[in-house]
Amino acid sequence: NAGVTQTPKFRVLKTGQSMTLLCAQDMNHEYMYWYRQDPGMGLRLIHYSVGEGTTAKGEVPDGYNVSRLKKQNFLLGLESAAPSQTSVYFCASSLSSGGWGEQFFGPGTRLTVL
Amino acid sequence: KQEVTQIPAALSVPEGENLVLNCSFTDSAIYNLQWFRQDPGKGLTSLLLIQSSQREQTSGRLNASLDKSSGRSTLYIAASQPGDSATYLCAVTPSGAGSYQLTFGKGTKLSVIP
Repeated sequence: NAGVTQTPKFRVLKTGQSMTLLCAQDMNHEYMYWYRQDPGMGLRLIHYSVGEGTTAKGEVPDGYNVSRLKKQNFLLGLESAAPSQTSVYFCASSLSSGGWGEQFFGPGTRLTVL
Repeated sequence: KQEVTQIPAALSVPEGENLVLNCSFTDSAIYNLQWFRQDPGKGLTSLLLIQSSQREQTSGRLNASLDKSSGRSTLYIAASQPGDSATYLCAVTPSGAGSYQLTFGKGTKLSVIP
């Protein structure tokens, strides 16, 4: 049981390049989330999904797109990377929402945009 | 808007000492509160989740309490060990609209000195 995995672990992009971050979970969780973590800002929610084929915006969605074509995968895309998107990105999943929605996190992707 | 505060930002204690980490939140309308541990360069590990109807949860040497009406939670670590050194984050899940989004504190960095 691998839990939540993320690929890649590290990436360096130039301004304007695009890339996709992959998150996979093997716990059959319905809910998946993408966060970014920045020094002094804490973790902030980018987008989330409440089930296969559905996505919604979180607190800081601008510049990102997501897709959830399969229940176990949640993709985060950057169409035109900017230096402000330099951050550590975490994916998380939970079986349910609300009171019993304990979230489990992946190891993170460290992204640098030059 | 919900705000989560953790004080102190950093704490250094000698091995074997019992310690308390504090977390406060501004809006008591929450489903739950979750405590995480984050090691340098790693993802978040869920430690304890307390439902809004509960007063405390225990796991091994860890005990978390919740006083929803006053907007406070504490994480008690008994007989601290150098392996407990990490950043501890608390996060709340708001009830009602937005119940998918965890709001995080900025963490307390704990150092346990051998």
